[in-house]
Amino acid sequence: DTAVSQTPKYLVTQMGNDKSIKCEQNLGHDTMYWYKQDSKKFLKIMFSYNNKELIINETVPNRFSPKSPDKAHLNLHINSLELGDSAVYFCASSPGLAGLTDTQYFGPGTRLTVL
Amino acid sequence: ELKVEQNPLFLSMQEGKNYTIYCNYSTTSDRLYWYRQDPGKSLESLFVLLSNGAVKQEGRLMASLDTKARLSTLHITAAVHDLSATYFCAVDPYSGAGSYQLTFGKGTKLSVIP
Repeated sequence: DTAVSQTPKYLVTQMGNDKSIKCEQNLGHDTMYWYKQDSKKFLKIMFSYNNKELIINETVPNRFSPKSPDKAHLNLHINSLELGDSAVYFCASSPGLAGLTDTQYFGPGTRLTVL
Repeated sequence: ELKVEQNPLFLSMQEGKNYTIYCNYSTTSDRLYWYRQDPGKSLESLFVLLSNGAVKQEGRLMASLDTKARLSTLHITAAVHDLSATYFCAVDPYSGAGSYQLTFGKGTKLSVIP
């Protein structure tokens, strides 16, 4: 069983387009995240949701809009794509603050290429 | 702003040798995580270190945390090719109950050669 899944795995699109990436977790976790990993492998948090509520919104252009329809899903919509948006986007989840042994479980990643 | 520095960033080592990867961070924290990433793959959790002096071992890898020195180490014993990957440390800037936010180091790309 896949714990954290993302679709699509690869996304190639033109500048200016709008695209979405979907994420689902079947771990029963309360908290979900979006990370961006650039070409140098640097990993940076973008957003975090706890029980469908936004709790972290790093300095990310407002072209990026996360949406959490329920606790198990966190989607990322990107408007007016730019070349600099090309990266691998990882979704992750964790139990939240309830347990002291929280780690984050990562999805397989979505490689976005903007042409 | 929390800074997390790993060194070395690149490590080429021979099979059978030992080596240590270092992770320094700039603010008080007692929650540190190690992850492994294979090329083109996702991140896999290796260790969760939640207190000063915590030591965890899994196979040929051992991680430790010194919160006073703001330092964690990942020690590799008798390296084998299967350990080739990029290793990330990540720090939670809030002690105690923790937070939702991890800051990652830049990663150490390990290549184990025969």
